[in-house]
Amino acid sequence: EPEVTQTPSHQVTQMGQEVILRCVPISNHLYFYWYRQILGQKVEFLVSFYNNEISEKSEIFDDQFSVERPDGSNFTLKIRSTKLEDSAMYFCASGILDLNTEAFFGQGTRLTVV
Amino acid sequence: AQSVTQLDSQVPVFEEAPVELRCNYSSSVSVYLFWYVQYPNQGLQLLLKYLSGSTLVKGINGFEAEFNKSQTSFHLRKPSVHISDTAEYFCAAKLFSGGYNKLIFGAGTRLAVHP
Repeated sequence: EPEVTQTPSHQVTQMGQEVILRCVPISNHLYFYWYRQILGQKVEFLVSFYNNEISEKSEIFDDQFSVERPDGSNFTLKIRSTKLEDSAMYFCASGILDLNTEAFFGQGTRLTVV
Repeated sequence: AQSVTQLDSQVPVFEEAPVELRCNYSSSVSVYLFWYVQYPNQGLQLLLKYLSGSTLVKGINGFEAEFNKSQTSFHLRKPSVHISDTAEYFCAAKLFSGGYNKLIFGAGTRLAVHP
């Protein structure tokens, strides 16, 4: 069964460092998303991506964040200068169509900023 | 603002007992509704979804949910739970917003099944 894969599963980084979280969406999917879940809190939407551009982003997704689909298979989330409050589980998701199908989620990357 | 509310943060229940996890949404536009489950240290897995048609939808692992438009609810039920159902359950809504979409999640309900 096809699945969304994320690497690494856990990343520890020092405050101020740049991190790149990687995702391989399901191959025939066209819509890509990043969500995050701070420990003990709800899952929050960060950004959606379609046709090689951001289609929607939340207020959380500020200038420190960027997304890219560099090679047609990977979908990355970059945080330029990490802060302690960026520590969270980051989920990548992908979907075929945007309106009436569910998003398939990856297993998540736990980012710990120290 | 659009929102999804899960009224119970934790639900303890004994094995083989029935359970209902409550979810309400606020939306003045069309909405699709989903329930996801998150087992410890794992990602989000879709349990079931409501898009249209029959208001009672059945999902995996014996779960079902009923869409009630007048009460803007989408409660999740299972007639007899197992220890293995212990997990975090998230209700989510997909709203139509400016032609694009995103999932809005509730805060989650932790289901703890005891022997």
